[in-house]
Amino acid sequence: DGGITQSPKYLFRKEGQNVTLSCEQNLNHDAMYWYRQDPGQGLRLIYYSQIVNDFQKGDIAEGYSVSREKKESFPLTVTSAQKNPTAFYLCASSSLGANVLTFGAGSRLTVL
Amino acid sequence: AQKVTQAQTEISVVEKEDVTLDCVYETRDTTYYLFWYKQPPSGELVFLIRRNSFDEQNEISGRYSWNFQKSTSSFNFTITASQVVDSAVYFCALKMTAGNKLTFGGGTRVLVKP
Repeated sequence: DGGITQSPKYLFRKEGQNVTLSCEQNLNHDAMYWYRQDPGQGLRLIYYSQIVNDFQKGDIAEGYSVSREKKESFPLTVTSAQKNPTAFYLCASSSLGANVLTFGAGSRLTVL
Repeated sequence: AQKVTQAQTEISVVEKEDVTLDCVYETRDTTYYLFWYKQPPSGELVFLIRRNSFDEQNEISGRYSWNFQKSTSSFNFTITASQVVDSAVYFCALKMTAGNKLTFGGGTRVLVKP
């Protein structure tokens, strides 16, 4: 079945360490997205990509980095510059021009 | 700028009761899309409905119904005869016709007790 796979589901890291969250999709979608979810704040867009080797900042890109070397993959790195990285991270994808996003199951990052 | 407000942070009902989730949006654009997503405890957001700004017809899908009123910038969602499986966080979202950016509301947690 087609879908989006995020890994790891849970991740614990010490302050000051960079961490990379994986997102893979087999839906043949051109566009991919990373959202951050905090309690009571809904989802906020971190980065998105509409084509391989190209990506744009969302509303809260500071302290994060992404790459899009393959259509299927859109990893997110949470760098040590991110002031408050503990959150639930959701990856999504869509066809270009389509409006419906398909989401992964999320990765919960806890910084100790 | 676009904004979506879900004023109810949490709603608790007993099974078989109806529950209505409010969603109010702000945008200067005349064409846009509105969405509802469900987030069960597993974490994955599940698409429920999309409505474009030109279509103000209400929609019913099983126990779910949606009331879109452009005059009040609202897109409310009603679950009829709620069930325990409806317990989840529900998000309303807004997207301009151009571009791929989705703006989400803060979500409403629905707890359906048996």
